[in-house]
Amino acid sequence: QKEVEQNSGPLSVPEGAIASLNCTYSDRGSQSFFWYRQYSGKSPELIMFIYSNGDKEDGRFTAQLNKASQYVSLLIRDSQPSDSATYLCAVNGAAGNKLTFGGGTRVLVKP
Amino acid sequence: NAGVTQTPKFQVLKTGQSMTLQCAQDMNHNSMYWYRQDPGMGLRLIYYSASEGTTDKGEVPNGYNVSRLNKREFSLRLESAAPSQTSVYFCASSRDSASFGELFFGEGSRLTVL
Repeated sequence: QKEVEQNSGPLSVPEGAIASLNCTYSDRGSQSFFWYRQYSGKSPELIMFIYSNGDKEDGRFTAQLNKASQYVSLLIRDSQPSDSATYLCAVNGAAGNKLTFGGGTRVLVKP
Repeated sequence: NAGVTQTPKFQVLKTGQSMTLQCAQDMNHNSMYWYRQDPGMGLRLIYYSASEGTTDKGEVPNGYNVSRLNKREFSLRLESAAPSQTSVYFCASSRDSASFGELFFGEGSRLTVL
């Protein structure tokens, strides 16, 4: 079992709809959770982080964390074609100060 | 402000050749990292340097060596390249080791080993 798992996609979403991405992790000791966006051929960039159970909103993005069920989600509201990218979930591992990345979910927003 | 700069951006090697990937950051960050990215595998940590003068192994260190030359520069060396090291390599930095999740990445170096 991979430490951080994501559906590879592609997740096809109509413009203006909500894109929902999920990520599960295996280490119950993980405390920090991050979402990175990576456009094709480019480097990852941090878009959200969450440390506590519940929701955290930043503009059109909402991160949701449920430590009991060991999953973290990312919602993208009012999806735009410019949101088409691969979204990487990252979690701190057992060693604490290092990130473990999932394989990423590719999102396609169709006009 | 350049951020994190990697060189070279593209490289083709023959099996057994050696090379060094260079990375420099101008954000006055203390911590630096080398990741590799393979299709479907996500990013995997090769080595990291929590602060100047220290380096530690990550998830996939075999076949690589690193040098933290100074606070700005962190290089990755392949002593004897193998086809399994064909990948995209990303250097990243963070303000300090406590900010390990808030990474700033370079543009990547695409390496092909024949």
